[in-house]
Amino acid sequence: GAGVSQTPSNKVTEKGKYVELRCDPISGHTALYWYRQSLGQGPEFLIYFQGTGAADDSGLPNDRFFAVRPEGSVSTLKIQRTERGDSAVYLCASSARLDTGELFFGEGSRLTVL
Amino acid sequence: AQKVTQAQTEISVVEKEDVTLDCVYETRDTTYYLFWYKQPPSGELVFLIRRNSFDEQNEISGRYSWNFQKSTSSFNFTITASQVVDSAVYFCALSTWDGQKLVFGQGTRLTINP
Repeated sequence: GAGVSQTPSNKVTEKGKYVELRCDPISGHTALYWYRQSLGQGPEFLIYFQGTGAADDSGLPNDRFFAVRPEGSVSTLKIQRTERGDSAVYLCASSARLDTGELFFGEGSRLTVL
Repeated sequence: AQKVTQAQTEISVVEKEDVTLDCVYETRDTTYYLFWYKQPPSGELVFLIRRNSFDEQNEISGRYSWNFQKSTSSFNFTITASQVVDSAVYFCALSTWDGQKLVFGQGTRLTINP
């Protein structure tokens, strides 16, 4: 499709399990972002990639969270030893031009940790 | 630290009324960017506008207009002659000088009733 694609759209897991969330950005977009949105809140920055490298990962809450983008396109957000507090919608966005500030967001992956 | 406050949690108006969404921000940076995004029920955030801190000119785009006032650290958004399709959650956001890491407000849920 033409937009940012995120899978799975919904993920229910048990506390302590490992989870991977995938983001497929718009073709040709070099910048990719992960945000987390809790219920009733605005999105919260997690990490941003320019190409294959993480340009800013200051928003990752702790070392249980990790993200990769090995070929500069698809990205995977990995969460180890999930906790109930990790429950949220994880949003991915991509951008073609750093100077416009226009991010194109996917519909998100809703993670529920029981 | 950067902070965005959207004091109005929910607004409900009748179609064709004008409505203004308030946004107040805090930053120590002299160069920064301000944004508005729309989040319809599908969950996908849609970019509306970006302004840089040096450009205080008001902007109009169709029924949408934005008022940036540095003196009061505000960046308000007005919808003229509202329509039911304008119903959504609207987020104001602030970024650092490079425009890459957005800090979002908590959002205002706007409901336009027919």
